[in-house]
Amino acid sequence: DAGVIQSPRHEVTEMGQEVTLRCKPISGHDYLFWYRQTMMRGLELLIYFNNNVPIDDSGMPEDRFSAKMPNASFSTLKIQPSEPRDSAVYFCASSLGHRGANIQYFGAGTRLSVL
Amino acid sequence: VTQIPAALSVPEGENLVLNCSFTDSAIYNLQWFRQDPGKGLTSLLLIQSSQREQTSGRLNASLDKSSGRSTLYIAASQPGDSATYLCAVGENYGQNFVFGPGTRLSVLP
Repeated sequence: DAGVIQSPRHEVTEMGQEVTLRCKPISGHDYLFWYRQTMMRGLELLIYFNNNVPIDDSGMPEDRFSAKMPNASFSTLKIQPSEPRDSAVYFCASSLGHRGANIQYFGAGTRLSVL
Repeated sequence: VTQIPAALSVPEGENLVLNCSFTDSAIYNLQWFRQDPGKGLTSLLLIQSSQREQTSGRLNASLDKSSGRSTLYIAASQPGDSATYLCAVGENYGQNFVFGPGTRLSVLP
Protein backbone atom coordinates (compact mmCIF):
# COMPACT_ATOMS: atom_id res chain seq x y z
CA ASP A 1 0.00 0.00 0.00
CA ALA A 2 1.23 3.51 -0.78
CA GLY A 3 0.26 4.80 2.62
CA VAL A 4 -1.88 7.85 3.32
CA ILE A 5 -1.75 10.21 0.38
CA GLN A 6 -2.34 13.93 0.71
CA SER A 7 -2.58 16.56 -1.95
CA PRO A 8 -1.40 19.12 -2.63
CA ARG A 9 1.89 19.02 -0.71
CA HIS A 10 2.11 22.80 -0.74
CA GLU A 11 -0.59 25.40 -1.19
CA VAL A 12 -0.13 29.15 -1.34
CA THR A 13 -3.23 31.26 -1.55
CA GLU A 14 -4.47 34.73 -0.82
CA MET A 15 -6.68 35.68 2.07
CA GLY A 16 -10.35 35.15 1.29
CA GLN A 17 -9.82 32.34 -1.20
CA GLU A 18 -11.28 28.87 -0.79
CA VAL A 19 -8.78 26.11 -0.05
CA THR A 20 -9.44 22.39 -0.43
CA LEU A 21 -7.09 19.80 0.98
CA ARG A 22 -7.41 16.17 -0.06
CA CYS A 23 -6.66 12.85 1.57
CA LYS A 24 -6.71 9.23 0.50
CA PRO A 25 -6.49 6.89 3.50
CA ILE A 26 -4.91 3.46 3.52
CA SER A 27 -7.24 0.97 1.90
CA GLY A 28 -9.30 -0.91 4.47
CA HIS A 29 -8.81 1.60 7.27
CA ASP A 30 -12.07 2.68 8.85
CA TYR A 31 -10.92 5.72 10.81
CA LEU A 32 -9.69 8.97 9.28
CA PHE A 33 -8.29 11.96 11.14
CA TRP A 34 -7.46 15.54 10.17
CA TYR A 35 -4.81 17.36 12.21
CA ARG A 36 -3.27 20.83 12.09
CA GLN A 37 0.28 21.55 13.19
CA THR A 38 1.66 24.99 14.04
CA MET A 39 4.68 26.15 15.98
CA MET A 40 2.50 27.88 18.55
CA ARG A 41 -0.10 25.18 19.18
CA GLY A 42 1.64 21.99 18.14
CA LEU A 43 -0.43 19.17 16.64
CA GLU A 44 -4.20 19.50 17.09
CA LEU A 45 -6.95 17.11 16.11
CA LEU A 46 -9.55 18.88 13.99
CA ILE A 47 -12.03 16.11 13.17
CA TYR A 48 -12.22 12.39 12.76
CA PHE A 49 -14.46 9.99 10.82
CA ASN A 50 -15.46 6.40 11.38
CA ASN A 51 -16.81 4.53 8.37
CA ASN A 52 -17.16 7.87 6.53
CA VAL A 53 -19.27 9.40 9.31
CA PRO A 54 -17.93 12.43 11.25
CA ILE A 55 -17.67 11.39 14.90
CA ASP A 56 -16.05 14.35 16.62
CA ASP A 57 -15.57 17.77 15.04
CA SER A 58 -15.04 19.68 18.25
CA GLY A 59 -11.52 20.57 17.16
CA MET A 60 -12.66 22.42 14.06
CA PRO A 61 -11.74 26.01 14.83
CA GLU A 62 -14.74 27.75 13.29
CA ASP A 63 -17.43 27.56 10.65
CA ARG A 64 -14.97 28.46 7.92
CA PHE A 65 -13.66 24.92 8.22
CA SER A 66 -15.58 21.94 6.88
CA ALA A 67 -14.65 18.32 6.21
CA LYS A 68 -16.32 15.60 4.21
CA MET A 69 -15.75 11.95 3.53
CA PRO A 70 -17.98 10.95 0.61
CA ASN A 71 -16.53 7.42 0.48
CA ALA A 72 -14.03 5.18 2.22
CA SER A 73 -11.15 6.22 0.00
CA PHE A 74 -11.41 10.00 -0.04
CA SER A 75 -11.77 12.94 2.31
CA THR A 76 -11.54 16.70 1.95
CA LEU A 77 -10.88 19.55 4.35
CA LYS A 78 -12.13 22.87 3.09
CA ILE A 79 -11.41 26.37 4.38
CA GLN A 80 -13.67 29.13 3.08
CA PRO A 81 -12.74 31.94 3.31
CA SER A 82 -9.12 31.40 4.22
CA GLU A 83 -7.24 33.72 6.58
CA PRO A 84 -3.51 34.19 7.27
CA ARG A 85 -3.88 32.55 10.70
CA ASP A 86 -4.89 29.33 8.92
CA SER A 87 -1.32 28.96 7.71
CA ALA A 88 -0.10 25.62 9.05
CA VAL A 89 0.72 22.08 8.05
CA TYR A 90 -2.40 19.95 7.78
CA PHE A 91 -2.04 16.21 8.26
CA CYS A 92 -4.40 13.40 7.46
CA ALA A 93 -4.07 10.05 9.23
CA SER A 94 -5.92 6.75 9.10
CA SER A 95 -6.17 3.73 11.33
CA LEU A 96 -7.87 0.36 11.48
CA GLY A 97 -10.51 -0.07 14.15
CA HIS A 98 -10.27 0.75 17.81
CA ARG A 99 -9.85 -2.75 19.13
CA GLY A 100 -6.29 -3.94 19.20
CA ALA A 101 -3.58 -1.72 17.82
CA ASN A 102 -4.69 1.84 17.12
CA ILE A 103 -1.60 2.79 15.19
CA GLN A 104 -2.31 5.90 13.18
CA TYR A 105 -0.57 6.24 9.84
CA PHE A 106 0.11 9.79 8.78
CA GLY A 107 0.34 11.36 5.38
CA ALA A 108 3.19 13.69 4.47
CA GLY A 109 1.01 16.73 5.10
CA THR A 110 -0.07 19.81 3.18
CA ARG A 111 1.80 23.01 3.98
CA LEU A 112 -0.69 25.85 3.63
CA SER A 113 0.37 29.47 3.39
CA VAL A 114 -2.34 32.12 3.32
CA LEU A 115 -0.99 35.51 2.33
CA VAL B 1 0.50 16.39 27.62
CA THR B 2 3.98 17.72 28.24
CA GLN B 3 7.38 16.54 27.10
CA ILE B 4 10.75 17.13 28.66
CA PRO B 5 13.25 18.15 27.50
CA ALA B 6 12.11 20.34 24.60
CA ALA B 7 15.42 19.77 22.86
CA LEU B 8 18.33 17.42 23.41
CA SER B 9 21.73 17.13 21.80
CA VAL B 10 23.90 14.10 22.47
CA PRO B 11 27.01 12.49 20.96
CA GLU B 12 26.58 9.33 18.95
CA GLY B 13 26.46 6.13 20.97
CA GLU B 14 24.82 7.53 24.06
CA ASN B 15 21.73 6.00 25.62
CA LEU B 16 19.01 8.56 26.22
CA VAL B 17 15.57 8.96 27.74
CA LEU B 18 12.74 11.16 26.55
CA ASN B 19 9.91 11.94 28.94
CA CYS B 20 6.20 12.40 28.45
CA SER B 21 3.75 13.42 31.19
CA PHE B 22 -0.03 13.42 31.13
CA THR B 23 -2.74 14.25 33.66
CA ASP B 24 -5.53 11.79 32.86
CA SER B 25 -4.75 8.36 34.29
CA ALA B 26 -7.76 6.93 32.44
CA ILE B 27 -5.94 6.87 29.14
CA TYR B 28 -6.72 4.21 26.57
CA ASN B 29 -3.24 3.97 25.12
CA LEU B 30 -0.11 5.98 24.41
CA GLN B 31 1.82 6.23 21.20
CA TRP B 32 5.31 7.52 20.41
CA PHE B 33 5.92 9.08 17.03
CA ARG B 34 8.93 10.32 15.14
CA GLN B 35 8.74 13.35 12.85
CA ASP B 36 11.50 14.27 10.46
CA PRO B 37 11.71 17.88 9.20
CA GLY B 38 9.09 18.58 6.55
CA LYS B 39 7.62 15.11 6.86
CA GLY B 40 4.65 13.43 8.45
CA LEU B 41 4.67 11.38 11.63
CA THR B 42 5.85 7.81 11.83
CA SER B 43 4.54 5.60 14.61
CA LEU B 44 7.31 4.03 16.67
CA LEU B 45 5.59 2.27 19.53
CA LEU B 46 2.05 1.89 20.83
CA ILE B 47 1.41 0.92 24.45
CA GLN B 48 -2.06 -0.15 25.48
CA SER B 49 -3.25 0.97 28.90
CA SER B 50 -2.94 -2.59 30.20
CA GLN B 51 0.72 -2.81 29.21
CA ARG B 52 3.77 -1.45 30.98
CA GLU B 53 6.23 -1.35 28.12
CA GLN B 54 6.86 -2.04 24.47
CA THR B 55 10.13 -2.67 22.68
CA SER B 56 11.19 -2.33 19.08
CA GLY B 57 14.85 -2.72 18.25
CA ARG B 58 16.81 -0.05 20.10
CA LEU B 59 13.65 1.61 21.35
CA ASN B 60 11.83 0.86 24.57
CA ALA B 61 8.78 2.73 25.78
CA SER B 62 7.33 2.41 29.26
CA LEU B 63 4.00 3.50 30.68
CA ASP B 64 3.13 4.28 34.29
CA LYS B 65 -0.50 5.35 34.39
CA SER B 66 -0.54 5.96 38.12
CA SER B 67 2.15 8.61 37.89
CA GLY B 68 1.03 9.89 34.50
CA ARG B 69 4.36 9.25 32.83
CA SER B 70 5.84 7.53 29.83
CA THR B 71 9.46 7.31 28.82
CA LEU B 72 11.06 6.50 25.50
CA TYR B 73 14.49 4.94 25.86
CA ILE B 74 16.81 4.99 22.87
CA ALA B 75 19.87 2.78 23.15
CA ALA B 76 23.15 3.43 21.37
CA SER B 77 21.89 6.56 19.61
CA GLN B 78 22.85 7.19 15.99
CA PRO B 79 22.83 10.35 13.84
CA GLY B 80 19.89 8.85 11.95
CA ASP B 81 17.87 9.07 15.16
CA SER B 82 17.89 12.86 14.87
CA ALA B 83 14.27 13.98 14.63
CA THR B 84 11.43 15.31 16.76
CA TYR B 85 9.79 12.73 18.98
CA LEU B 86 6.16 13.21 19.99
CA CYS B 87 4.08 11.29 22.44
CA ALA B 88 0.33 11.10 22.02
CA VAL B 89 -2.16 10.04 24.66
CA GLY B 90 -5.12 8.09 23.38
CA GLU B 91 -8.48 9.10 24.83
CA ASN B 92 -12.03 8.12 23.98
CA TYR B 93 -11.26 4.47 23.34
CA GLY B 94 -8.09 5.41 21.53
CA GLN B 95 -9.58 7.39 18.69
CA ASN B 96 -8.72 10.83 19.98
CA PHE B 97 -5.03 11.46 20.42
CA VAL B 98 -3.73 14.44 22.38
CA PHE B 99 -0.19 15.21 21.31
CA GLY B 100 2.68 16.58 23.33
CA PRO B 101 4.82 19.40 21.92
CA GLY B 102 7.69 17.06 21.09
CA THR B 103 11.36 16.71 21.95
CA ARG B 104 13.81 17.74 19.24
CA LEU B 105 16.71 15.29 19.29
CA SER B 106 20.07 15.86 17.65
CA VAL B 107 22.61 13.04 17.68
CA LEU B 108 26.02 14.32 16.76
CA PRO B 109 28.48 12.10 14.85
